[in-house]
Amino acid sequence: GENVEQHPSTLSVQEGDSAVIKCTYSDSASNYFPWYKQELGKRPQLIIDIRSNVGEKKDQRIAVTLNKTAKHFSLHITETQPEDSAVYFCAASVGGGSQGNLIFGKGTKLSVKP
Amino acid sequence: NAGVTQTPKFQVLKTGQSMTLQCAQDMNHEYMSWYRQDPGMGLRLIHYSVGAGITDQGEVPNGYNVSRSTTEDFPLRLLSAAPSQTSVYFCASSYSGGEKLFFGSGTQLSVL
Repeated sequence: GENVEQHPSTLSVQEGDSAVIKCTYSDSASNYFPWYKQELGKRPQLIIDIRSNVGEKKDQRIAVTLNKTAKHFSLHITETQPEDSAVYFCAASVGGGSQGNLIFGKGTKLSVKP
Repeated sequence: NAGVTQTPKFQVLKTGQSMTLQCAQDMNHEYMSWYRQDPGMGLRLIHYSVGAGITDQGEVPNGYNVSRSTTEDFPLRLLSAAPSQTSVYFCASSYSGGEKLFFGSGTQLSVL
């Protein structure tokens, strides 16, 4: 079946440093790639997403890059802050089109040390 | 708008019992879905619906039933609970497929 691999599973950085989380996907028809942030005990919340016709997207301190040829995409967080500590999930749509369900990666626990 | 509302927040069941997890949204979203979240496993799709009267299976549908009689509501039924169904369950909705999903606050279910 379709699969999304996410690395690393845990990531610890010092406040102010950058953090990078990487994902690979298997479905060539995937055309939508969101990232969700889940704080402890809370619901997942969308932080940024990108479509397959775009190579990079930025929103303040976060950015996502997509390499369709290699089937991988990455989340970049710059100038990390303690409130960035959370579990981050990548996902990819399956089956193409606008009705595609999401397959999620297994998550990355990011810890930002003050 | 309340967004996506899930009830209950916590539930303990005995093996073999049945129950329904409720999910309602007030954003007029056509797409609704149920995920389960287990440690180290990410979010796995159980069932989804692209509109009232239409439901389909996701990655892990066994042991669960759903129905979609209205646009607003999408209940998840456990017919005969098993310990393997101990998990956190999230309902999510969107205007279109998996794009920009809004999640409910989750239901923590324990099956003893």
